[in-house]
Amino acid sequence: GNSVTQMEGPVTLSEEAFLTINCTYTATGYPSLFWYVQYPGEGLQLLLKATKADDKGSNKGFEATYRKETTSFHLEKGSVQVSDSAVYFCALNYGGATNKLIFGTGTLLAVQP
Amino acid sequence: NAGVTQTPKFQVLKTGQSMTLQCAQDMNHNSMYWYRQDPGMGLRLIYYSASEGTTDKGEVPNGYNVSRLNKREFSLRLESAAPSQTSVYFCASSRAGVNQPQHFGDGTRLSIL
Repeated sequence: GNSVTQMEGPVTLSEEAFLTINCTYTATGYPSLFWYVQYPGEGLQLLLKATKADDKGSNKGFEATYRKETTSFHLEKGSVQVSDSAVYFCALNYGGATNKLIFGTGTLLAVQP
Repeated sequence: NAGVTQTPKFQVLKTGQSMTLQCAQDMNHNSMYWYRQDPGMGLRLIYYSASEGTTDKGEVPNGYNVSRLNKREFSLRLESAAPSQTSVYFCASSRAGVNQPQHFGDGTRLSIL
């Protein structure tokens, strides 16, 4: 079946530190992959996506590369800010045009000044 | 811009009571979704609607019913609430087509005693 596995949090970093949040997936075929972010008290919002192998999604300084050989989609940012503190979810589209998503469990990031 | 609006934001029910969660979007999206978010489990799809008058089950549909009243509104009903349905419920919408981003409401926190 389809599944997404994320590293457990919380991840606590100092401002300007380098961030990596690991995500691996199991899927039939070649699903599209997403990172969503949830700020406190809000719903999720799309951060970035990649639709095929070797694609790199990027947004707001965050990047993730779709690695078919390692079935991974790790999220990275070179220099985090306090405003990046949030919960990050990795997800895959298993429903094609229906856009049905399977989410990972989420990783809480806390950035300290 | 309202986006996706969910009501109510908080609710406490007793076991066996019924309740309808309301969701409305003003982005003219065709697709709408209901998720539940539980600690350590990420988001799980309850029901999905591709268009007015159509609905489809997700991962965890048992104990829920939905109604796509029109293009804007997608409601979720608990006929006989159980403590296992204590959760945060999110509604989302998206355009039709592959890999369209989902836009989320701010959630409804539901406690069942």
